[in-house]
Amino acid sequence: AIQLTQSPSSLSASVGDRVTITCRASQGISSALAWYQQKPGKAPKLLIYDVSTLESGVPSRFSGSGSGTDFTLTISSLQPEDFATYYCQQFNSYPYTFGQGTKLEIK
Amino acid sequence: EVQLVESGGGLVKPGGSLRLSCAASGFTFSSYNMNWVRQAPGKGLEWVSSITTSSNYIYYADSVKGRFSISRDNAKNSVYLQMNSLRAEDTAVYYCARGLVDDPIDFWGQGTLVTVSS
Repeated sequence: AIQLTQSPSSLSASVGDRVTITCRASQGISSALAWYQQKPGKAPKLLIYDVSTLESGVPSRFSGSGSGTDFTLTISSLQPEDFATYYCQQFNSYPYTFGQGTKLEIK
Repeated sequence: EVQLVESGGGLVKPGGSLRLSCAASGFTFSSYNMNWVRQAPGKGLEWVSSITTSSNYIYYADSVKGRFSISRDNAKNSVYLQMNSLRAEDTAVYYCARGLVDDPIDFWGQGTLVTVSS
């Protein structure tokens, strides 16, 4: 199974900061990489798919990049509603796998 | 409005069984692969199982293979997860989620809690 390793596991930042979360795959996954945001007690929400395609309705401050095995999610200017946990997921092959998550907290 | 509504969760003893259901509405159910993803309390997301549009292909995580069974009824716009030989480590919120073929999961239900405890 393809393993996804996210870093960091947690991150403290302030409103207005630029933050980057990294996701590394144990083998190449082409462009089959998605990012999700999850708030406490809620279902995950799709933010980005195919590495860099923004899901409809997602603010443009979110962006994704990368290729092969190394991918990043960037939030250009943190807003109060962005404090949540973020997960990457590969859908290149079964079993689908998720990263362990990055909890973004207010500094 | 797209909706996925899970039901069937609850408290069950180790070794017991439960059947989760997910009722879909607001989209063409038969055009989407369907998935179950779980999240243990305070932990991350774990993909559990997927079923393709016509049930031709079914996939399971190693952690549930041989114990869980996914199925769907396109006439009823529903997907199911039969869970047998349940263990304490199966305790989690179980989410039903959809995705187009070769596309990621793009919409999730609100989840149903399964607790395995004596």
